[in-house]
Amino acid sequence: GDSVTQMEGPVTLSEEAFLTINCTYTATGYPSLFWYVQYPGEGLQLLLKATKADDKGSNKGFEATYRKETTSFHLEKGSVQVSDSAVYFCALSALGTSYDKVIFGPGTSLSVIP
Amino acid sequence: GAGVSQSPSNKVTEKGKDVELRCDPISGHTALYWYRQSLGQGLEFLIYFQGNSAPDKSGLPSDRFSAERTGGSVSTLTIQRTQQEDSAVYLCASSPGTSGSEQYFGPGTRLTVT
Repeated sequence: GDSVTQMEGPVTLSEEAFLTINCTYTATGYPSLFWYVQYPGEGLQLLLKATKADDKGSNKGFEATYRKETTSFHLEKGSVQVSDSAVYFCALSALGTSYDKVIFGPGTSLSVIP
Repeated sequence: GAGVSQSPSNKVTEKGKDVELRCDPISGHTALYWYRQSLGQGLEFLIYFQGNSAPDKSGLPSDRFSAERTGGSVSTLTIQRTQQEDSAVYLCASSPGTSGSEQYFGPGTRLTVT
């Protein structure tokens, strides 16, 4: 069945470091791909998304490119800030069915230290 | 406009009691999801409603869990004979239900079973 795999956390980085959180997926058809973020004490919110191959989603300095050939959607940011400390979830929206089921990865916790 | 709301925000109950958790989705959203998030864990899919279709209950962990959605809007998640392992944050999300659409999450209900 459809699934999402993310790199294990927690990830700890110094401020201004480069961030990559790997995400790969397994799906039939052509799913839409998402990154959600959960800041401490808050609910999940959409960070960015891409709906077709080679699309790049971007928001708040974060980027992710939908790579069909490698079935990946890695999250990157060139210079992280302390305020980026959060849990990041990769997700896919399963297409080709009669409904729009979303499957989440396990989440990757990021801590950015000054 | 109003987002997804959930009530109560916190619920403490004794083992063996029944609890009801409520979710008010965004008006007009046809898709509604329930997830469970245990401390430090990812999202566990519980149940999915889409319009008038039969719900996808494949994520419900036991027959003590049930959910309904009345009039295509408000949803109630019921846990009967609660156990300590049911302690978690229960998240509700809604979406327009079209392929590739994002989910909008509520703030969650923190359930503690003593």
